[in-house]
Parts: sequence; C-alpha cells; structure tokens
Amino acid sequence: GESVGLHLPTLSVQEGDNSIINCAYSNSASDYFIWYKQESGKGPQFIIDIRSNMDKRQGQRVTVLLNKTVKHLSLQIAATQPGDSAVYFCAERVDSSYKLIFGSGTRLLVRP
Amino acid sequence: EAGVTQFPSHSVIEKGQTVTLRCDPISGHDNLYWYRRVMGKEIKFLLHFVKESKQDESGMPNNRFLAERTGGTYSTLKVQPAELEDSGVYFCASSRAGATDTQYFGPGTRLTVL
Repeated sequence: GESVGLHLPTLSVQEGDNSIINCAYSNSASDYFIWYKQESGKGPQFIIDIRSNMDKRQGQRVTVLLNKTVKHLSLQIAATQPGDSAVYFCAERVDSSYKLIFGSGTRLLVRP
Repeated sequence: EAGVTQFPSHSVIEKGQTVTLRCDPISGHDNLYWYRRVMGKEIKFLLHFVKESKQDESGMPNNRFLAERTGGTYSTLKVQPAELEDSGVYFCASSRAGATDTQYFGPGTRLTVL
C-alpha cells in the first residue's frame, strides 16, 4: 500500500478500548482543524472537524479536543473496533485560506 | 452521490516522460484541490481551483507541473518531464463553496517514476 517506506508513529490498542491520537500544530493563526482517516488504497476520509472558537466537539464514537494554549489537537475514539485500523491525519487551515496543512499521521492498529 | 474519482489509479513511467492525471470532482463542487504525498512525507497542498480559475498555486513545486480545469468540471495535472522525486500519491479533493466546507478526497493516483 501507500505506506510502504513511511515510518509513522503507531498506536496499538485492544479492541473495545478507547484510543487517543494526538497532533501538535505550530501556527497560531490556524482557525479550523480536521481529522481524516485513511485506509489502505483509499483517500483521506473526513471524520470530524472543529473551529478554533471551540475546545471540544463530539461525533459518533469520536471526540476532538483542541487546546490552543499549547497548540494541541487530539482525537478520541471510543470502543475502538477493527474497522478503525487506519492512518489518522490531523489537518489545519490557516487564516481562513482554503488549503489544508496536514500532519504526518499516526497509524492505529486494533488488536482483536 | 458519486465521490471524487481519479484516473489512473497507478502510473509507472520513466524519468523524462510525461504523465497526465485526471480528477473528476463531486458534481456541483466549485472547489477542486490537488495534494500529493511523496514517500516519507506528509500530504502537501499543490493548488486550488474555484471553478475554472486557479485560486492558489502556492504549493506547485516547479514549472514541470501544470494543472488545468476545463470548464470548471474535471481537472488534469500534467507532469512534464517527470523526475524521480515526483514519485508519490497524488490526491484530488473537492468541496462546496465555503472555506470550511468539507474537502472530500479521491482515492489518489500512485505515480512511480523510474
């Protein structure tokens, strides 16, 4: 797959446990953040987003937390399932521009 | 609703050759983006179209890359001549009108330059 040759940080969790994937960003002008999930052979798939005027947003089994003080973003997945195994990317938008700046990604492995 | 489609899914060419990648966005999406991920690196923005106009080309690496969006529908990204460092996965995304409208990604084209 696409990940051959890439050295991604990996998070291994037991099925049913909660997962927390972290992301640091550097630009104080970033005003919008998104988490994407990428499965092998597919493009990034939108999971959840959050604007900079919020510090938490919840979706179905997922929660995104934003700490602007330390420029940190996290994705929490509740009751992790085998289908959650993928590479997860955070992305940010700076100064209301349209382009997204992606982080390097974290591989999530779910052990049965 | 059909998603973003890209063609081809894989392309293997020799250094110095030309390759053209195609992207068909979701119908009705004014915004179309190209990104790429070269080996070992993160996904990086290349450019952004609004309808047929190039809105932001700040990520295009050099003048060997040419993107077009005929009539504001599908888009092509041509690499001429291709170099070894162009190898990677090229993603296309599209979104509706607003800057925070979700960008939906296609499956990507894996380009290998030998």
